[in-house]
Amino acid sequence: EAQVTQNPRYLITVTGKKLTVTCSQNMNHEYMSWYRQDPGLGLRQIYYSMNVEVTDKGDVPEGYKVSRKEKRNFPLILESPSPNQTSLYFCASSRTILSYNEQFFGPGTRLTVL
Amino acid sequence: AQSVTQLGSHVSVSEGALVLLRCNYSSSVPPYLFWYVQYPNQGLQLLLKYTTGATLVKGINGFEAEFKKSETSFHLTKPSAHMSDAAEYFCAVISPSFGNEKLTFGTGTRLTIIP
Repeated sequence: EAQVTQNPRYLITVTGKKLTVTCSQNMNHEYMSWYRQDPGLGLRQIYYSMNVEVTDKGDVPEGYKVSRKEKRNFPLILESPSPNQTSLYFCASSRTILSYNEQFFGPGTRLTVL
Repeated sequence: AQSVTQLGSHVSVSEGALVLLRCNYSSSVPPYLFWYVQYPNQGLQLLLKYTTGATLVKGINGFEAEFKKSETSFHLTKPSAHMSDAAEYFCAVISPSFGNEKLTFGTGTRLTIIP
C-alpha cells in the first residue's frame, strides 16, 4: 500500500530534550515536506526537500532541523524543544517538485512540550 | 507572494442541503489550486485540484469547485450533504515558479452536518 508513515503518533516531552520525528514514504517520491498545524492558523510549512541531500526552509523553520540522506526518509529534529512547538505535525510527499503533483500526507504526530 | 483566505471557520448545513465552502486566493502568477479534506485524527486527503484547462473541477465524494479568475475564487460545493462529509476542509494554492513550489494553506473550515 502506498503511504507516508510517521512515528511516533503521539509524544509528550519536556523543554530542552532533543527529539526526532521520523517520516518515511514508499512511493519513490522526490519531494518531501514537513508542516505544523495549529488552530486558526491552518498548515504552515517548516522545511521541504526536493531530493536527496537537498533541503530548504519553509515558512516557520526556527527551532527545527531536517535531513534527507535517503530518498524515502525525511526526519524532523527538534534539538531543544520549547512549549511553543506544541503542535500537530504532518509529513507529506509528492512525486516531483512540480506543482500539479498531489501531495500525500502522513497521519500526523501530536507533540506536546511541557 | 501567495495567500489563501477561507471565509467561515465553521459551517453547518443540514443533511441533504447544499454545501458551499468559500476560498479566495491571491497570486502573482496563474495559480494552481487545491482542496484537501481532513477527517478526525487523520492526515489530509486531496479532494480536487485545478491546474489548467476546464475551470469547473470535479473531485471525489461528489465535490466540485470552480476556478473564477475575475473573482480570485475557488469555492467548493456539493449539491447534497451527507453525514460522512463532516470534516475540516483546507483550500491551498501554489504559485508555480521553478524552484519555489510551496503549498500555502488557508486556515480551514470545519463542516458540521445537522441530521
